[in-house]
Amino acid sequence: GENVEQHPSTLSVQEGDSAVIKCTYSDSASNYFPWYKQELGKRPQLIIDIRSNVGEKKDQRIAVTLNKTAKHFSLHITETQPEDSAVYFCAASTYSSASKIIFGSGTRLSIRP
Amino acid sequence: GAVVSQHPSWVICKSGTSVKIECRSLDFQATTMFWYRQFPKQSLMLMATSNEGSKATYEQGVEKDKFLINHASLTLSTLTVTSAHPEDSSFYICSARDPALTDTQYFGPGTRLTVL
Repeated sequence: GENVEQHPSTLSVQEGDSAVIKCTYSDSASNYFPWYKQELGKRPQLIIDIRSNVGEKKDQRIAVTLNKTAKHFSLHITETQPEDSAVYFCAASTYSSASKIIFGSGTRLSIRP
Repeated sequence: GAVVSQHPSWVICKSGTSVKIECRSLDFQATTMFWYRQFPKQSLMLMATSNEGSKATYEQGVEKDKFLINHASLTLSTLTVTSAHPEDSSFYICSARDPALTDTQYFGPGTRLTVL
C-alpha cells in the first residue's frame, strides 16, 4: 500500500521568512496530493492540492510542487505570518472508487515573531 | 462548500462500554466515507472505508469486531467502539467524498473519546 513520508517533523521560522515542507510517496499510481493544516483539536483543513498532471500550483502565499519521477512533493509558504503556526500534513491518494487518503506524519510549524 | 458533521463532539465512557459516533454529510450524498483515528501529536491513521449498502473495508491491524461500521444511508455512517478500553481513547475523525467533486474529501470536526 501507499506510504507517505514527511520532513521535517518540526519547523520554526522567523515571521516573514519562507517555510518548506517535503514529502515522498511510494505508490507510483498515486495521482492526487492534498495538503492539510490542522489546529489543535480541530479537523484537518485543505489548504491546497495538486494532481499528477501538473508540476506546480500556487495560491497566494502557498505553493505546491510535484516531481512524479522522484515521487516528491513539497509545500512552500512565503511571507509567513503568526497565524500560519499549526500542524501541516501532506497526503497522497489514488483516484478510484475508494479514493482513500494516506497521510504523512505531520510537520509542526511555529512562526517566531 | 460541502459540510460533514459528527456527533458527539466529545464523549467520556467507562471501560467495557460501547460508544457510537455518527458522521453525516449534510448537503451531499456520500457513497463512501472514511474513519480515521488520531492520537495526540500523531498523524491521522485510516481505520476503514465505509461503503453505503455494503461491508466496510478495514485497514490492516484494525479489528473489525471492535470497531463496527455501518453505512446505512447515503448521508450517515456510524462507528461503534465496542468494549472500549483506555487505549481506545483518541480523536476519531470521519471524512466523506463528494462524488461530484472527484477526489475532494471533506472532514468532520472529530469526536474526542475518553475511556476511563
